[in-house]
Amino acid sequence: TAGITQAPTSQILAAGRSMTLRCTQDMRHNAMYWYRQDLGLGLRLIHYSNTAGTTGKGEVPDGYSVSRANTDDFPLTLASAVPSQTSVYFCASSVDPYNEQFFGPGTRLTVL
Amino acid sequence: GENVEQHPSTLSVQEGDSAVIKCTYSDSASNYFPWYKQELGKGPQLIIDIRSNVGEKKDQRIAVTLNKTAKHFSLHITETQPEDSAVYFCAAPLWGGFKTIFGAGTRLFVKA
Repeated sequence: TAGITQAPTSQILAAGRSMTLRCTQDMRHNAMYWYRQDLGLGLRLIHYSNTAGTTGKGEVPDGYSVSRANTDDFPLTLASAVPSQTSVYFCASSVDPYNEQFFGPGTRLTVL
Repeated sequence: GENVEQHPSTLSVQEGDSAVIKCTYSDSASNYFPWYKQELGKGPQLIIDIRSNVGEKKDQRIAVTLNKTAKHFSLHITETQPEDSAVYFCAAPLWGGFKTIFGAGTRLFVKA
């Protein structure tokens, strides 16, 4: 069992370009989440999905979009990247919000 | 808005000593309080959690205490070892939604 995987591991992106960060889980979890982690700010929720076909906004959703076409995949898209989106992005999944979240290894994104 | 405050931001202890990290939350309806450990270059991993119907939970050298009246919970690590060195995060999901709020993190250094 792979658990939860993310791709790519790292990426350097020119400002104004678009990019999709991929996330896949094989645990059949209903809930999935995208966080960004910046130094000194912990983990901040970008978007979440409580089940396939539904998504919601977290603390910092501006500039990001998500989709949940099926249970396993939860891609995060930056339509037009800006330098302030330089961060480490973590995808996570859980059975529901009141149980353990399983995190992927992260994607380090640099926007120049 | 709802938030989770975590203290201290940095903690340095001698091997064998105890370490205590404290968190305060604002949503009085929160009922699940996890603690995550993040090692360098990896995603966070759950180490212990507690639900609102108990006041304390222990797992070997790790314990968590919860005071719902005061809205704070603490992580206690006894007999610290160098491999305990990491960043620790507390979290609390907002009741009725899928938004989990994380504390800003505590970087723990255990000196051999």
